Amino acid sequence: EVQLVESGGGLVQPGGSLRLSCAASGFTFSSYWMSWVRQAPGKGLEWVANIKQDGSEKYYVDSVKGRFTISRDNAKNSLYLQMNSLRAEDTAVYYCARARIAAAGYYFDYWGQGTLVTVSS
Amino acid sequence: DIQMTQSPSSLSASVGDRVTITCRASQGISNSLAWYQQKPGKAPKLLLYAASRLESGVPSRFSGSGSGTDYTLTISSLQPEDFATYYCQQYYSTFLTFGPGTKVDIK
Repeated sequence: EVQLVESGGGLVQPGGSLRLSCAASGFTFSSYWMSWVRQAPGKGLEWVANIKQDGSEKYYVDSVKGRFTISRDNAKNSLYLQMNSLRAEDTAVYYCARARIAAAGYYFDYWGQGTLVTVSS
Repeated sequence: DIQMTQSPSSLSASVGDRVTITCRASQGISNSLAWYQQKPGKAPKLLLYAASRLESGVPSRFSGSGSGTDYTLTISSLQPEDFATYYCQQYYSTFLTFGPGTKVDIK
């Protein structure tokens, strides 16, 4: 059974940093692109970042470029999101998602339960 | 970036009703469209991909159609467990975008 379990969320002050983790199991982690998708309270879904199987390619939504870094450790079946210079508008539930490649992009066939990040003073 | 819109933003329906949700892209996306269902406090669930292909395990009352810029999700006979918010997502571009969602609630 595919499982994605996020951790690392919490309350952080504006300008602070946080590192999210996602532990994957039930599939060959190193064979898949992986992504982070977030959802602000009461709002819709927003793709944040994704990373290729070997970590050689990474893409980010414009609003987080230069502040967030996605990474992975295939030996540990883990995905990470380092978030720096956090802003109030980064407040959201952050989901780890497995990407299924199609055409020029990908969609998400498995999602974690999410971890809440709150940026507030 | 490709912008996605959905209509309606919400709708009220009864069990057994046929429900149709529309998703429109700001440019043609060649059927590179997925649909998700999300219930309160839960992660999204993939329903369809490639505009009309049903994900394994998803009931056949869900179907998708469309081409170019315009796509639809249809629930042929709404069931109690279908009351949720539905999102479309384009994957024609590497920079993925979701629609704003359509909330389906009980009339």
